[in-house]
Amino acid sequence: LAKTTQPISMDSYEGQEVNITCSHNNIATNDYITWYQQFPSQGPRFIIQGYKTKVTNEVASLFIPADRKSSTLSLPRVSLSDTAVYYCLVGDIAGYQKVTFGTGTKLQVIP
Amino acid sequence: DAGVIQSPRHEVTEMGQEVTLRCKPISGHNSLFWYRQTMMRGLELLIYFNNNVPIDDSGMPEDRFSAKMPNASFSTLKIQPSEPRDSAVYFCASSPGTRGNEKLFFGSGTQLSVL
Repeated sequence: LAKTTQPISMDSYEGQEVNITCSHNNIATNDYITWYQQFPSQGPRFIIQGYKTKVTNEVASLFIPADRKSSTLSLPRVSLSDTAVYYCLVGDIAGYQKVTFGTGTKLQVIP
Repeated sequence: DAGVIQSPRHEVTEMGQEVTLRCKPISGHNSLFWYRQTMMRGLELLIYFNNNVPIDDSGMPEDRFSAKMPNASFSTLKIQPSEPRDSAVYFCASSPGTRGNEKLFFGSGTQLSVL
C-alpha cells in the first residue's frame, strides 16, 4: 500500500486560496488519489479523486504531476466553514479495498 | 437515501460490560467498513466486508472485538468485555463496489466511553 505524507497543520485567512500537498512516493500504477474532509464530530466526507493531471469539481481542484509522486488539493477562497481535517489516500483500482487514512492535515481558517 | 446510519450516537458503559454498535449501510452498497478514531491513533481501519463476507480483520485490536454482517443491510461491532482504552469514536462506512478507489460514505459515528 502506498503511504502518504501530509503537513500536520496549516493556517489560512478567509478568502485565501489554500493548497495542501500530499506525498506518495511509492504510488503504484493502479492507484488513484482521493481526498476526504472531516469536520469535528462527523465522519470523513469525499471531496475529490483523480489519477493524473488536473481534476476540478464544485468544491476543490486536484493537481497531480506526471510522476504522480505527489498531489495538491486546492481550495479556492476558503471560509471559516472550511476549517477541518483533510486526508489524502491512495487506493488500488484493481484490488480489494483496504482504505487506510493517514494523520491528515488540520486546516484552520482564520477570520 | 438516508445515508449510513449508526446507532447509538453515544454510549457510556462500565468496564467489563458488553457493547454492541450497529450500522445500516446505504442500500445497494457492497462494501462495509468499521473504523475507530482517537486523538492518539487517528482513524484506524478495524475490519471490512465485501458482499457480507469479512475480507480483512487484521485491524481488530484483540479477541474482545468481533464484527458481523448477517445481511446486506446490517452490521454489528461488538466489544466484550469492554475496557477504558476502547473509548473512541467508531465509524461505519459503506461504498458501492469493491475496488480500491471507490468512494466511501461514512456514518455520524458512535462516541463510546468506557468508565
